[in-house]
This record gives sequence, C-alpha cells and structure tokens, in this order.
Amino acid sequence: EAGVTQFPSHSVIEKGQTVTLRCDPISGHDNLYWYRRVMGKEIKFLLHFVKESKQDESGMPNNRFLAERTGGTYSTLKVQPAELEDSGVYFCASTQGDRAYNEQFFGPGTRLTVL
Amino acid sequence: AQSVTQLGSHVSVSEGALVLLRCNYSSSVPPYLFWYVQYPNQGLQLLLKYTTGATLVKGINGFEAEFKKSETSFHLTKPSAHMSDAAEYFCAVTPSGGYNKLIFGAGTRLAVHP
Repeated sequence: EAGVTQFPSHSVIEKGQTVTLRCDPISGHDNLYWYRRVMGKEIKFLLHFVKESKQDESGMPNNRFLAERTGGTYSTLKVQPAELEDSGVYFCASTQGDRAYNEQFFGPGTRLTVL
Repeated sequence: AQSVTQLGSHVSVSEGALVLLRCNYSSSVPPYLFWYVQYPNQGLQLLLKYTTGATLVKGINGFEAEFKKSETSFHLTKPSAHMSDAAEYFCAVTPSGGYNKLIFGAGTRLAVHP
C-alpha cells in the first residue's frame, strides 16, 4: 500500500511568487492534515479536512494560504504571495478515522524556501 | 492551551548505551500521547502511543515509554542504542475526546556514536 506522498520535495521561490504544494493521502483515508515546521521550531498544525470539507483551519497563518481538497482525494496548499517567513517544511498526514487516538501517517514533507 | 516540552534539542549517546528522551506535557486532563521518529528524508513514523490502560507502552525498534500522570511526563527510553536509531524524535499529544490534531514538542535529535 502506497504511503502519503507530497510534491514537490523541495521548492525555492522568490518573495511575492506563488507556490502550490500537493499531498496525496493513503487511499481510503478521509482525514487529511497539513502541518508546518519553521526552522528549529515545533511542528504546528495548519488545518484538517474530512473528505472535501474543512473541519478545522484554526492553524492557518493568514489569508495568503489557501487549502483545497477537491473530490476528497488529494489536497493542495497554495501560498500567494509568498513571504520570507513562510519558509519551512510542510507536512501532510492522513488517517482513516478522526478520533484523537488514531495514528496519523505522514508524508516526507515539502521543504519551501522563500528568498 | 496545551503544550509539549522536550528537554534537550540534541542528545548524544554511545552505541549500546541507554537512550532517554524527555517529554512533558501541560494539560489538566490527560491527553493521548505519541512519540514519532523522523529518519533523514522520510516522513514521521509512529514509534508508540498511549491512550488508556497500561502506563508502560512498548513500541517498535525496542523503544518504550511510560506515562506518569503525577509528573505529566511521557519519557522515551531504549536500553541499548544502535547506530540506526540516529534520527529526530518528536513527542506529541492530542486532547482526549477531541479531534485528532497533534500538538508537537520541538523535537530531539539523537546522535549515536561508536
């Protein structure tokens, strides 16, 4: 069974440009999460999808970030326009159920560098 | 708000020595507790978790952790370190009874030297 995949693995962009990150969860997992780790700090929750609906987007930093999950399969996270402080590693995770004890399966992350 | 503290951003041990990675959480209600490991160029992988029941939890690769409510701790241990244990380790919690939103500590990078 394929794990969670993320694309691209690395992205280097200029301040003010737009970047779109993609996450493909494990097949059949209705729950999809985005997290971000800024250099040297803790991994922080961004948002949670249940199928195509946003269950919790309390961690989204500001309106420059837009997440979508069309059809309840893969998800995209767009940053527009990117700022220097958006640099970090963006992780995606998925689970079958949404209970607090369910294991989340993580992708390898996308390392975003904004110059 | 809940928080997780991992004492020591870097820990170095000799091969064969005891591994002890510390984790404390702040919560008036015991949450669910997790340890994840990240090897280079890979995603986070679950080592073990505590939900209810026995407070000593055994995980993969010989790791175990003990939930101590009185100390609000969930320290990770392994009796004998192996070179392949070199990785970054993350302690995380989710609020019991709530949705599955992980709150992470800052991580501890473990180095194992010969």
